Amino acid sequence: AQRVTQPEKLLSVFKGAPVELKCNYSYSGSPELFWYVQYSRQRLQLLLRHISRESIKGFTADLNKGETSFHLKKPFAQEEDSAMYYCALNSGGSNYKLTFGKGTLLTVNP
Amino acid sequence: DVKVTQSSRYLVKRTGEKVFLECVQDMDHENMFWYRQDPGLGLRLIYFSYDVKMKEKGDIPEGYSVSREKKERFSLILESASTNQTSMYLCASSFWRGLEKLFFGSGTQLSVL
Repeated sequence: AQRVTQPEKLLSVFKGAPVELKCNYSYSGSPELFWYVQYSRQRLQLLLRHISRESIKGFTADLNKGETSFHLKKPFAQEEDSAMYYCALNSGGSNYKLTFGKGTLLTVNP
Repeated sequence: DVKVTQSSRYLVKRTGEKVFLECVQDMDHENMFWYRQDPGLGLRLIYFSYDVKMKEKGDIPEGYSVSREKKERFSLILESASTNQTSMYLCASSFWRGLEKLFFGSGTQLSVL
């Protein structure tokens, strides 16, 4: 069964510090991985996806199949990055389901 | 912009009541989903649908049912509400095979007393 683990419920950093939100997955096939973000009083929205290898709002995430990880990183955190972050996994094929992790609440302090 | 609209932002119901949560999307998406969001538990999939009148169980379907009579509308039904169904309910939609981007509604906070 597929599983997504975000080991940190809460993460607090200071503005300008590097930030890394951890995500590990369990899936035997070729996964598709995503990061979703929910800012205060806003809808949950896609931040980035591994297939695009993109950088959004300064965030990047690299899929490491050897370590089954998809950690989200930003070199210099900003206060507006404070939000709930969810890692999500799609096992592909005809499976339409996204499996979400439990989320990490990031707080960036001034 | 894609709009996924959930009919109620807040809902208060009594134990045993039948509850309907409505979701409408305006982008002709094939896939629609219902999740519940609980602190410390993340998002858990209740049901999803990839076509009109088609539905499949998610990870926690017990106590829920769904209806999709029209492509744009996906309803979540709590047959007999219980206090452990107090939660934030999120509806989402996507193009078929477009699972890389789910569009979410703003959520319905349901309280069952």
